Amino acid sequence: GAVVSQHPSWVICKSGTSVKIECRSLDFQATTMFWYRQFPKQSLMLMATSNEGSKATYEQGVEKDKFLINHASLTLSTLTVTSAHPEDSSFYICSAPSRGNNEQFFGPGTRLTVL
Amino acid sequence: DAKTTQPTSMDCAEGRAANLPCNHSTISGNEYVYWYRQIHSQGPQYIIHGLKNNETNEMASLIITEDRKSSTLILPHATLRDTAVYYCIVRGHLRGSNYKLTFGKGTLLTVNP
Repeated sequence: GAVVSQHPSWVICKSGTSVKIECRSLDFQATTMFWYRQFPKQSLMLMATSNEGSKATYEQGVEKDKFLINHASLTLSTLTVTSAHPEDSSFYICSAPSRGNNEQFFGPGTRLTVL
Repeated sequence: DAKTTQPTSMDCAEGRAANLPCNHSTISGNEYVYWYRQIHSQGPQYIIHGLKNNETNEMASLIITEDRKSSTLILPHATLRDTAVYYCIVRGHLRGSNYKLTFGKGTLLTVNP
């Protein structure tokens, strides 16, 4: 099946700094990608829909100025957590739908720890 | 998208069939039933999906009741590596933001040796 990669796989940063997470579709093009956040022992919560060439669509309660999303090409979406705080520590996962939209391919996730 | 209800956890012996139920009584006619699983600290993995007919692939079988209000995911010969949280998701096949998946709490399946 198709592969979605994320980089980095884990990151530790100081409070107040910004962190960029990359999501790449390795062998297919994705005009749409999704960003999820997962806190320990909880389910995945959709944060936003990343659209190639246009603005991202954020879910209710997600601050668009804090979680900046850029989808500059058909294979790359980036999520930047700006001015990170300890409460932003979480597992961030991206996904991209298959061409026929029968399934979604998920990245391996990025573990963010803010000290 | 319709809401789903799954048991919080289930246990299964290695080598035996694992049957994971899901209720989706408010499913509408154009909505599909999807199953994904998430092994600890990894991204979710697609398993199978169906509309009204039973489906089978190399990973699992999906049995959907005739009224479509519930379904069962069957792992025919569970292995220790099948220990994961299994998510049953109901979703339409529309364009744009409707590609997105809404995850519930899922069922933690523990396969025991």
